[in-house]
Amino acid sequence: EPEVTQTPSHQVTQMGQEVILRCVPISNHLYFYWYRQILGQKVEFLVSFYNNEISEKSEIFDDQFSVERPDGSNFTLKIRSTKLEDSAMYFCASSEAGQLLRYEQYFGPGTRLTVT
Amino acid sequence: LAKTTQPISMDSYEGQEVNITCSHNNIATNDYITWYQQFPSQGPRFIIQGYKTKVTNEVASLFIPADRKSSTLSLPRVSLSDTAVYYCLVGAQASGGSYIPTFGRGTSLIVHP
Repeated sequence: EPEVTQTPSHQVTQMGQEVILRCVPISNHLYFYWYRQILGQKVEFLVSFYNNEISEKSEIFDDQFSVERPDGSNFTLKIRSTKLEDSAMYFCASSEAGQLLRYEQYFGPGTRLTVT
Repeated sequence: LAKTTQPISMDSYEGQEVNITCSHNNIATNDYITWYQQFPSQGPRFIIQGYKTKVTNEVASLFIPADRKSSTLSLPRVSLSDTAVYYCLVGAQASGGSYIPTFGRGTSLIVHP
């Protein structure tokens, strides 16, 4: 069964540093997403991406965040200057088609980001 | 902003049917209702999706009344491996105008032997 993969599984960084979280979506999927989950809390939508541009974003996704599809397989989330409150599990997801909630999203295993 | 409400936790025993209800009073006319399952330290996993009435797949059923203000996920004959957090997901319009998926706080289901 195809799956979404994410690297690294755990990233530790110092406050103020830049981090890049990487994801490889399922190969024939066209829509890509990032979510985060602070420990013990609910899953929160960050951004959706289609056709090399952002299609939707939440209020959490401010100027310190950016997404990119640098090649035909990877999808990245960059946090420019990390803050303590960015510590969370970050999930990448992908789906075959869009209309955000109409199609099943496949989630990766997540990257645990710890900001010290 | 649409909001979903689910019970925080539920307990059941192996072999029983479990029903988890989610209320979503402000669901949009064209919105679908999706349920996900999440195990500790893993990403959410799609269970089932529906728009109205009843949907059934190999793992669950989803019941949606005519007013669509709630939905009930039904898990037949649960096993220990069904112990997980279950989320219902609907769309919500954020303050900036974007329409974004909104997870509820989830229901922690514990299945006992």
